Amino acid sequence: NAGVTQTPKFRVLKTGQSMTLLCAQDMNHEYMYWYRQDPGMGLRLIHYSVGEGTTAKGEVPDGYNVSRLKKQNFLLGLESAAPSQTSVYFCASSYSLSGTGTQYFGPGTRLLVL
Amino acid sequence: GNSVTQMEGPVTLSEEAFLTINCTYTATGYPSLFWYVQYPGEGLQLLLKATKADDKGSNKGFEATYRKETTSFHLEKGSVQVSDSAVYFCALSTGANSKLTFGKGITLSVRP
Repeated sequence: NAGVTQTPKFRVLKTGQSMTLLCAQDMNHEYMYWYRQDPGMGLRLIHYSVGEGTTAKGEVPDGYNVSRLKKQNFLLGLESAAPSQTSVYFCASSYSLSGTGTQYFGPGTRLLVL
Repeated sequence: GNSVTQMEGPVTLSEEAFLTINCTYTATGYPSLFWYVQYPGEGLQLLLKATKADDKGSNKGFEATYRKETTSFHLEKGSVQVSDSAVYFCALSTGANSKLTFGKGITLSVRP
């Protein structure tokens, strides 16, 4: 049982390049989330999904797209990377339908945009 | 909207010292409250939670009590260890979809 895994662990991009971050979970969770973590800002929700084939915007969605084609995978795409997207990205998943549910986090992807 | 306010950091303590990390919140309805911990180089993991007023969450010697009257969920530990050095996030969740609102986090360093 690997929990939540993220690929890659670290990436350097040039401004304007594109990339996809992959999140996978093996806990059969319905809900999945993408966050970014920046110094002094806590974690901010980018996009989330309430089930296979669904996505929704979070707090800071601009410049990102997501897809949830399979229940266990949640992809985060950057079409044209900008230096402001330099951050650590965390994926999480949860089972509960209510606000009491625990979220399980992946180890993070560190992205540097030059 | 929902918000979580944590005390400013960082915090540096000596081993075996008493720890308090303050957390207050603003929320519509009746939120569930959480403390997450992030050890160096890792993702966040749930430390403890409380889902209704006056509930006390506890884990690994840490405790926090859901105080509705003061809208607070302060984290305490009686005797910290070097291994407790990490970033601590207070968070809340209301309603469906289990979306979390996080505080900014506070870095705790415990020296031997």
